[in-house]
Amino acid sequence: GEDVEQSLFLSVREGDSSVINCTYTDSSSTYLYWYKQEPGAGLQLLTYIFSNMDMKQDQRLTVLLNKKDKHLSLRIADTQTGDSAIYFCAALSGGSYIPTFGRGTSLIVHP
Amino acid sequence: NAGVTQTPKFQVLKTGQSMTLQCAQDMNHNSMYWYRQDPGMGLRLIYYSASEGTTDKGEVPNGYNVSRLNKREFSLRLESAAPSQTSVYFCASSGLAGSFGPGTRLTVT
Repeated sequence: GEDVEQSLFLSVREGDSSVINCTYTDSSSTYLYWYKQEPGAGLQLLTYIFSNMDMKQDQRLTVLLNKKDKHLSLRIADTQTGDSAIYFCAALSGGSYIPTFGRGTSLIVHP
Repeated sequence: NAGVTQTPKFQVLKTGQSMTLQCAQDMNHNSMYWYRQDPGMGLRLIYYSASEGTTDKGEVPNGYNVSRLNKREFSLRLESAAPSQTSVYFCASSGLAGSFGPGTRLTVT
């Protein structure tokens, strides 16, 4: 089955860019997602990308997809303290109802 | 448009007690899911329902049962709670992308 891997922690300074990386194993993954979880809350969908796209930009967020290497990244420009949260990568394989989630990356933003 | 709602938000049970976690969505999604989230373990799928009238086991179904009451509602039942079921439980529904409820924080003593 699909396996999704993320690094567990990332620490950045306020105002810098953050890059959170994710790798997945199933080359038939059709949709790839980024979710944000703030303390005590549920997961909030940030953005998603379809597998036939290389890049998607939405305000401060840029998603890059390298299908050959099965690598997904989320770049947050001008990172703010309010961006401190856990970020989950998820992949949905073609024909499946069940997305596979990574374990989440804790982003810590220092003033 | 409330999205995905869950009740209760918090619950404390004694070992052996039973309870049902309720979930409802108003987005007309076919698929609904129950996950548990434990420190260091990420999200683990308990049960899912691809459409009204169908349910299937996920990664960690033991000790749980589910009911897909209609297209909107998907409940999770603990028949005899155990301390190992202390966790945060999330319901989700999915069209193109998943929407999550706010979670139920359950403690079993």
